[in-house]
Amino acid sequence: AQSVTQLDSQVPVFEEAPVELRCNYSSSVSVYLFWYVQYPNQGLQLLLKYLSGSTLVKGINGFEAEFNKSQTSFHLRKPSVHISDTAEYFCAVSESSASKIIFGSGTRLSIRP
Amino acid sequence: DAGVIQSPRHEVTEMGQEVTLRCKPISGHDYLFWYRQTMMRGLELLIYFNNNVPIDDSGMPEDRFSAKMPNASFSTLKIQPSEPRDSAVYFCASSFTQGAAEQFFGPGTRLTVL
Repeated sequence: AQSVTQLDSQVPVFEEAPVELRCNYSSSVSVYLFWYVQYPNQGLQLLLKYLSGSTLVKGINGFEAEFNKSQTSFHLRKPSVHISDTAEYFCAVSESSASKIIFGSGTRLSIRP
Repeated sequence: DAGVIQSPRHEVTEMGQEVTLRCKPISGHDYLFWYRQTMMRGLELLIYFNNNVPIDDSGMPEDRFSAKMPNASFSTLKIQPSEPRDSAVYFCASSFTQGAAEQFFGPGTRLTVL
């Protein structure tokens, strides 16, 4: 069965600094990978997803993620963060179009001015 | 489209009372999901439906919880009787398909059981 691990529960960074949020998954088959963002007092919304093709995926708000099959990772990056990026970020995995999406435990990104 | 609609947005009730949470998915979406989010347990999938039929309810914590989807535009999650440990934010989400498709989340219902 698939699983997903977000190694950092909280990541504090300064405004305009780069950030990387780590995500590792476990699966015996090919996977689909997602990053969702949850702003305070809101539901989750999709940032980006990897289904196939190019391993570098670009999403909304300047975020990107790279799928690394050998390391079973899908880390999220942004070269320069803004105060408005303060949110919780969830990595998620699915083994096929017919299976459930499994969400990680989330990483809280806090931006310091 | 108005997105996924949930009501109420906030619910405060006393232990032992029945609670009903409501969800209207995005029109045309075949899948509907109910999640629960707490600080301790994170985001948990409770149950999901495909074409109004419950497919997997393995995440429903116990018999006090039940969910229905009488038609394609409406679903309910009921807790009877409610307990303080049920306090959480409950999200409804919908999608066109399952594993590869984006799930669209509602704003959530914050439930407090006193």
